[in-house]
Amino acid sequence: DGGITQSPKYLFRKEGQNVTLSCEQNLNHDAMYWYRQDPGQGLRLIYYSQIVNDFQKGDIAEGYSVSREKKESFPLTVTSAQKNPTAFYLCASSPRDRLPYGEQFFGPGTRLTVL
Amino acid sequence: AQSVTQPDIHITVSEGASLELRCNYSYGATPYLFWYVQSPGQGLQLLLKYFSGDTLVQGIKGFEAEFKRSQSSFNLRKPSVHWSDAAEYFCAVGPNQAGTALIFGKGTTLSVSS
Repeated sequence: DGGITQSPKYLFRKEGQNVTLSCEQNLNHDAMYWYRQDPGQGLRLIYYSQIVNDFQKGDIAEGYSVSREKKESFPLTVTSAQKNPTAFYLCASSPRDRLPYGEQFFGPGTRLTVL
Repeated sequence: AQSVTQPDIHITVSEGASLELRCNYSYGATPYLFWYVQSPGQGLQLLLKYFSGDTLVQGIKGFEAEFKRSQSSFNLRKPSVHWSDAAEYFCAVGPNQAGTALIFGKGTTLSVSS
């Protein structure tokens, strides 16, 4: 079945450590996205990538980094510079070759807790 | 600036009663509009979408939504709510440009009482 996988489902990190969240898709989508979700805040865009080897900052990129070396993969690194990283992180992808543009398909999410 | 407003943070509906979740958007051109649903601890699932044609769109799980350009609204409706509909619902607007991100509202939490 085609879809988006995120791993791990739960992640614990000590303060001062970097941690990388995995996102893989086999939908052959060009665009991929990372969102952060906090209670009452909705979804806030961290980074997105329209094609391989290219990505753009979203609304809350500070303290995060990404790479897009393969079409299928868009890992997110939460660095020690992110002051409040405890949140639920969602990865999504979307095709660029059919309407409606922007229709996104979501992974199951990773809950990150900083201890 | 583009934005999406969901005026109701939390709604409680009796099982079997009708439901309407409100969504208002601000966007200069004809938008692409989406409703997603999220169960606790899960990802988002697409309920329905609008980008052209009939302004009343049908989705999964018995949901429908109506695009009203004059009111800049895209309200979600269901004639009879089931307990399994309890979840968080997000309205989103998409610019008509490939590869750009959706703009999400802050969500409405639906509780269903018996």
